[in-house]
Amino acid sequence: EAPLLESGGGLVQPGGSLTLSCAASRFMFSNYAMTWVRQAPGKGLEWVSTIGDNFIADYADSVKGRFTISRDNSKNTLYLQMNSLRAEDTATYYCATQAGLDFWGQGTLVTVSS
Amino acid sequence: DVVMTQSPLSLPVTLGQPASISCRSSQSLVYSDGNTYLSWFLQRPGQSPRRLIYKVSDRDSGVPDRFSGSGSGTDFTLKISRVEAEDVGIYYCMQGSYWPPITFGQGTRLEIK
Repeated sequence: EAPLLESGGGLVQPGGSLTLSCAASRFMFSNYAMTWVRQAPGKGLEWVSTIGDNFIADYADSVKGRFTISRDNSKNTLYLQMNSLRAEDTATYYCATQAGLDFWGQGTLVTVSS
Repeated sequence: DVVMTQSPLSLPVTLGQPASISCRSSQSLVYSDGNTYLSWFLQRPGQSPRRLIYKVSDRDSGVPDRFSGSGSGTDFTLKISRVEAEDVGIYYCMQGSYWPPITFGQGTRLEIK
């Protein structure tokens, strides 16, 4: 079983919403900061958001006010609530451990298109 | 924001030959605790990125010792002593010293000649 498993991606219309999940296993999730990184098709890596073990969150300017990162330590799960989605949010979204990005999930694809 | 600039962006290498990738930051990455939070990642075709090197020169568990990182301040290098077929992919440097935001280089595509 992979330590990080993302889900929730799919096709959504511009202006729509989507919530991604990242299920963690085989490590003490509550002790770790967690990060979302995205990669548009054929493009490089872009940091999206990090939430600390203290629940304090930071966001890239490109998503601030539209995306919300959260965590449920009782479920060992990280979330990314995405609102007001735009075409430029189309990407594979990866969750990763810490701000140092020690380990990554396999990613989940979000496509924003009408 | 700290801008990370990699070169070259494309790197054709013969199997068994060395390879080197440069990464420069727009400001020094030395953090107030004395550490430099510069990491290297490899994204093989169709896979998620995997961290190879952290804090400039520390190899992650399971990373072959043909990979080495060096540098200081604003100039950093990833070296592969002898390229193998499994090393093909895109290499990214990343800084975590001054965030938010965490920032990545543009990526360097390594291919076999």
